[in-house]
Amino acid sequence: GAVVSQHPSWVICKSGTSVKIECRSLDFQATTMFWYRQFPKQSLMLMATSNEGSKATYEQGVEKDKFLINHASLTLSTLTVTSAHPEDSSFYICSATQLASETQYFGPGTRLLVL
Amino acid sequence: GNSVTQMEGPVTLSEEAFLTINCTYTATGYPSLFWYVQYPGEGLQLLLKATKADDKGSNKGFEATYRKETTSFHLEKGSVQVSDSAVYFCALSDQGGSYIPTFGRGTSLIVHP
Repeated sequence: GAVVSQHPSWVICKSGTSVKIECRSLDFQATTMFWYRQFPKQSLMLMATSNEGSKATYEQGVEKDKFLINHASLTLSTLTVTSAHPEDSSFYICSATQLASETQYFGPGTRLLVL
Repeated sequence: GNSVTQMEGPVTLSEEAFLTINCTYTATGYPSLFWYVQYPGEGLQLLLKATKADDKGSNKGFEATYRKETTSFHLEKGSVQVSDSAVYFCALSDQGGSYIPTFGRGTSLIVHP
């Protein structure tokens, strides 16, 4: 149980376009989802925390207009990278938790390459 | 604030060697502690966890004991395999209600045949 999927697993796009990444909890209701960014050989950088039905809470230094997060249902959160640039190229990982649980279940990640 | 410090890698071992990856933490309350593993090109998977002092988490031959007196949660395995090659992340979660995690920088483990 407790499976989280991400789609797409990798994406290549042109500079200036927008990219949407989906994160789904397949067999549980995710009251909270987290979005992370991971640079090569580095730890995870928490970008934002999103709770179903409310606005996401962004970490300091993360542009909310650049990285749009929507958590419209208990099983789906989306991250949209707007007007992507090469510096946005990274590995994006989402995770989900159930109500009152601290264990995070991670998606397999989405590798974004902006040309 | 909360923080997690892991030993720097890479840790390079021969198959069947003993593994220790050190992890210490700083937290204001009584956090839960986790080890996650990330295989190449994949997301993170929960390896084990402990929620209170002296608890021992274990899974797949890996163990870690929550040591409140030394604020540590070192990961150990008695005999590593090539398939254990991955990056290991130590993390804590504030039980105060936010559950926002704090991760260490990760330690890469390379196991040679």
